[in-house]
Amino acid sequence: EDKVVQSPLSLVVHEGDTVTLNCSYEVTNFRSLLWYKQEKKAPTFLFMLTSSGIEKKSGRLSSILDKKELFSILNITATQTGDSAVYLCAVRIYNQGGKLIFGQGTELSVKP
Amino acid sequence: DADVTQTPRNRITKTGKRIMLECSQTKGHDRMYWYRQDPGLGLQLIYYSFDVKDINKGEISDGYSVSRQAQAKFSLSLESAIPNQTALYFCASSPGRGPTDTQYFGPGTRLTVL
Repeated sequence: EDKVVQSPLSLVVHEGDTVTLNCSYEVTNFRSLLWYKQEKKAPTFLFMLTSSGIEKKSGRLSSILDKKELFSILNITATQTGDSAVYLCAVRIYNQGGKLIFGQGTELSVKP
Repeated sequence: DADVTQTPRNRITKTGKRIMLECSQTKGHDRMYWYRQDPGLGLQLIYYSFDVKDINKGEISDGYSVSRQAQAKFSLSLESAIPNQTALYFCASSPGRGPTDTQYFGPGTRLTVL
């Protein structure tokens, strides 16, 4: 059974802290891994990763994929209260094209 | 302007009622999806459609049906709603272009079945 597992499920930090969110997966026919940020509405796209070892960066956020060990991490440096959200990891598989398998999400709360 | 819209945004209904959730997208995407989100379970795929004539069951399709009326419209129906279908429902669309394909989500519909 294909599955995506995120950890931790929730995290509370203070502004300025650096956080690392984890996503591990066990799927057949891996195609890509995506990270989304969800506040009190629809998820918004952050990163898509297809190759191992290539870091994607966007401001204070970065992510990397390890296809040998089957995991990805999302780093957020110098956290701000606006980073508070649920972060979703999803894996796309080749068959049933376009199908995404989502993890449970990590709820991040950044305190002032 | 929102590219993926959902109506209604909130709905409260009673057990046994038929409910339809609507989704429209203006991005010209071929692929559309319906998900439900429950606390602690992430997003679960209900149905997905590659184009108007291609509709597929997802991970949790029991109790749901869909209709792809046009490229831009994909509706989700609950023929006889039950309380455990209380959840947040998201529609998404994607162009379906190889490895760089990305899904774009609507704002969600919060459904409560009493």
